[in-house]
Amino acid sequence: KNEVEQSPQNLTAQEGEFITINCSYSVGISALHWLQQHPGGGIVSLFMLSSGKKKHGRLIATINIQEKHSSLHITASHPRDSAVYICAVDSGGGADGLTFGKGTHLIIQP
Amino acid sequence: GAVVSQHPSWVICKSGTSVKIECRSLDFQATTMFWYRQFPKQSLMLMATSNEGSKATYEQGVEKDKFLINHASLTLSTLTVTSAHPEDSSFYICSARPRPGLPHMDTQYFGPGTRLTVL
Repeated sequence: KNEVEQSPQNLTAQEGEFITINCSYSVGISALHWLQQHPGGGIVSLFMLSSGKKKHGRLIATINIQEKHSSLHITASHPRDSAVYICAVDSGGGADGLTFGKGTHLIIQP
Repeated sequence: GAVVSQHPSWVICKSGTSVKIECRSLDFQATTMFWYRQFPKQSLMLMATSNEGSKATYEQGVEKDKFLINHASLTLSTLTVTSAHPEDSSFYICSARPRPGLPHMDTQYFGPGTRLTVL
């Protein structure tokens, strides 16, 4: 069973700061997801990665398969980025569900 | 983009009653749908994997007779919580994986979730 660890668990930063959230996992995977969960509970899929780096707007996600590590970066952070960010790994690539990290609770203060 | 809907978005029911939650992929076909549960301040946990036309596969510790899953079509899966009790109160989320051959078939698209409160 894959163990997914996220850090930090909680992060409070000022608007405009560069944010990094880390995720590590224990067993090789077929893909890694970064998800955003807002206070109401709804989940938005931000990225799915199997290698390298992806960028979408102010969000950047990287993955190092050899080191079993991924990072999510937010540039020029804004209060609307406040949410829980969850790392989830897909170990099977087929009919298996995801294994989730516990999430990082991010608060961006104006 | 791919959209997954859930209905209802929230439900309050009395202990002992049954509640059905629907998960629909609106603009793509999904041979596999997943049901997750999230208790307050905890991470999401996979409950079961639902494959169209076959029986669902349940994770260890999830009672299949209590959480009935039906995946009758390529766009609809339902989760029925039978004889609900207060400890079943949780946030239930589904996700759908596009069927093989469709774009982005390696990813999952998440529904908005259903908050169940059992009194």
